[in-house]
Amino acid sequence: SYELTQPPSVSVSPGQTASITCSGDKLGDKYVSWYQQKPGQSPVLVIYEDIYQDKKRPSGIPERFSGSNSGNTATLTISGTQAVDEADYYCQAWVSSTAGVFGTGTKVTVL
Amino acid sequence: EVQLVESGGGLVQPGGSLRLSCAASGFTFSLYWMHWVRQAPGKGLVWVSRINGDGSSTTYADSVKGRFTISRDNAKNTLYLQMNSLRAEDTALYYCARESEMATIYFDYWGQGTLVTASS
Repeated sequence: SYELTQPPSVSVSPGQTASITCSGDKLGDKYVSWYQQKPGQSPVLVIYEDIYQDKKRPSGIPERFSGSNSGNTATLTISGTQAVDEADYYCQAWVSSTAGVFGTGTKVTVL
Repeated sequence: EVQLVESGGGLVQPGGSLRLSCAASGFTFSLYWMHWVRQAPGKGLVWVSRINGDGSSTTYADSVKGRFTISRDNAKNTLYLQMNSLRAEDTALYYCARESEMATIYFDYWGQGTLVTASS
C-alpha cells in the first residue's frame, strides 16, 4: 500500500522558516494538499494544488504558507513562523482512483 | 456558510453496529463528492470512504471494506456511514469532509467529528 512519510516533529524559532516534508513514491506526479490541525479542533486546509499543479492557499490562509512538490517529496513551508502556527500538519494525496492517503503527521513547535 | 455536523457516535461492543450521520448545509449537497476520515485518539488522520454526488459510486479503505457502507440522502442533505462488525481498532473520531469541486481531490470543509468507541 502507498505510504506518505513525514518527520514526527519540527521545531522553529518565531520569525524563522519551518519546512515540513512529505515523502512518497513518485509523489511529484500526484496532487498534494496540506492540513493544519490544532489540539481539539478539526483539520483546516492550508495548501492545495490546482490541475496545473500550481500551489494555492484557500481564502483566509496567510501568505506565509507555501508549498512545493517534485520527485518523491512535497514540502510545506511556513515563512516567518508565528506562535499561532504551532499545530500538527498532514499532507494528503489521492494515489489511485480508489484510495486516499494521509501522511503520518508532523508536530510543529514554535520555541 | 458551509456547515457539516456529524452525529451518531457512541460506545458499542466489538462486533456491534453503529450508523453515523453528517448533516450538510450552506451548499448544494448533491453536487459534491463526500468523504469520511477518522482519527484514533492521539493518532493521525486516516481516509475511510468516499461517495459521489448521486450515490452511485463508492470507495473504501481496505481496513473497512466489507464492514462499512457509505451512503447519502440528497433530499435530506445528509451523509451516512453504516459501520458493522466493529473492532477495537475502529475506535476514533470520525469526520465527514467535503471534496472540492476541482479535479485534484482535496477536502475544503470538515465537520467537528463524532466519537466512536468500540470496547467491551
